[in-house]
Amino acid sequence: NAGVTQTPKFQVLKTGQSMTLQCAQDMNHEYMSWYRQDPGMGLRLIHYSVGAGITDQGEVPNGYNVSRSTTEDFPLRLLSAAPSQTSVYFCASSHSDGGYTFGSGTRLTVV
Amino acid sequence: AQTVTQSQPEMSVQEAETVTLSCTYDTSESDYYLFWYKQPPSRQMILVIRQEAYKQQNATENRFSVNFQKAAKSFSLKISDSQLGDAAMYFCAYRSFSGSEKLVFGKGTKLTVNP
Repeated sequence: NAGVTQTPKFQVLKTGQSMTLQCAQDMNHEYMSWYRQDPGMGLRLIHYSVGAGITDQGEVPNGYNVSRSTTEDFPLRLLSAAPSQTSVYFCASSHSDGGYTFGSGTRLTVV
Repeated sequence: AQTVTQSQPEMSVQEAETVTLSCTYDTSESDYYLFWYKQPPSRQMILVIRQEAYKQQNATENRFSVNFQKAAKSFSLKISDSQLGDAAMYFCAYRSFSGSEKLVFGKGTKLTVNP
């Protein structure tokens, strides 16, 4: 049982480049979310999904795009990377009645 | 909107002793979930304990227990018999009972365990 799998674990981008952070879960969870973690800021919600085909914005959505074509996958796209997007990114999933299970995170550096 | 406040940026405890981490929250809802997550240096987010607001009994998981005071909107975590492996960032989090997708996090408390 893999849980929530995020790839890659580390990534360095140049300003202006685009990339996709992958997230997959095998627990048949309806809810999936992307968070970013910055020092002293806790975890902030970027985008979330309550089921396949349904996504919405969280607290800090600018510069990011998501889609959810299947229950299992919820990729996060950085459209044109900026140094302000240097952060640790977490994908998480849950049923409607419980705590979220988190992936192991992606450390992204934009230079 | 709900907010979660952790007023202790850092705490320390001696091995084998007990420590309590504080968390307060603000909400107008009557039903919700509260969580404590642990983040060790590996950065993995680990669910420590969960509390449903409609349950009066405080949740307990081995050496971890909570003091849930609904009227005061307080949700503290007590770690008994602290171990070196308990050293980590601890985050308090809130989730609406209605099935809202959002976890709202506090900014965390860094716990150091001294041998």
